Amino acid sequence: GDSVTQMEGPVTLSEEAFLTINCTYTATGYPSLFWYVQYPGEGLQLLLKATKADDKGSNKGFEATYRKETTSFHLEKGSVQVSDSAVYFCALSGGNKLVFGAGTILRVKS
Amino acid sequence: DGGITQSPKYLFRKEGQNVTLSCEQNLNHDAMYWYRQDPGQGLRLIYYSQIVNDFQKGDIAEGYSVSREKKESFPLTVTSAQKNPTAFYLCASRPEGAGGGWEQFFGPGTRLTVL
Repeated sequence: GDSVTQMEGPVTLSEEAFLTINCTYTATGYPSLFWYVQYPGEGLQLLLKATKADDKGSNKGFEATYRKETTSFHLEKGSVQVSDSAVYFCALSGGNKLVFGAGTILRVKS
Repeated sequence: DGGITQSPKYLFRKEGQNVTLSCEQNLNHDAMYWYRQDPGQGLRLIYYSQIVNDFQKGDIAEGYSVSREKKESFPLTVTSAQKNPTAFYLCASRPEGAGGGWEQFFGPGTRLTVL
């Protein structure tokens, strides 16, 4: 079945450092891909998405490119802030359901 | 404001009691979902419903039940048959009919603790 694998955390960075969180997937067909963010004690918010190969999703300085050849959707940000500390989930849309990765905790130190 | 509301935010129950978690949305979405979140395990799908009066089991439906009598509401009951019910429960919704490219919108969650 469909699955998503994310890099394990926690990832700890200093403010203004470059961020990469790796995400790879296994799926039949051509899924849409998503990154969600979860702040402590809250629900998930959509961060960005891409619906077809080579699409780049972007929002709030975060970017991810849908790479079909490597089945990847890595999340990047050029300069992280303390306020970016959260849990990040990669997900794919399999028909009418979402399949989530285990989540990656990001901690940004000032 | 349009959105998804879940109540209560924190819920405590004694072992052996059934408990119902509320989920309401005013986004006019057709599909609604319930997820369970445990530390380090991501989200797991419990039940989902694509239209009123119809719902399907997800990956971990045992010990849970749902109903979908109204488009806006999708309550989840955690029964005494659920062996380890303490978790964070998330409700989500999605507009139907647009294929897999449409994201799900999440509520703020209910943290259930069984004592």
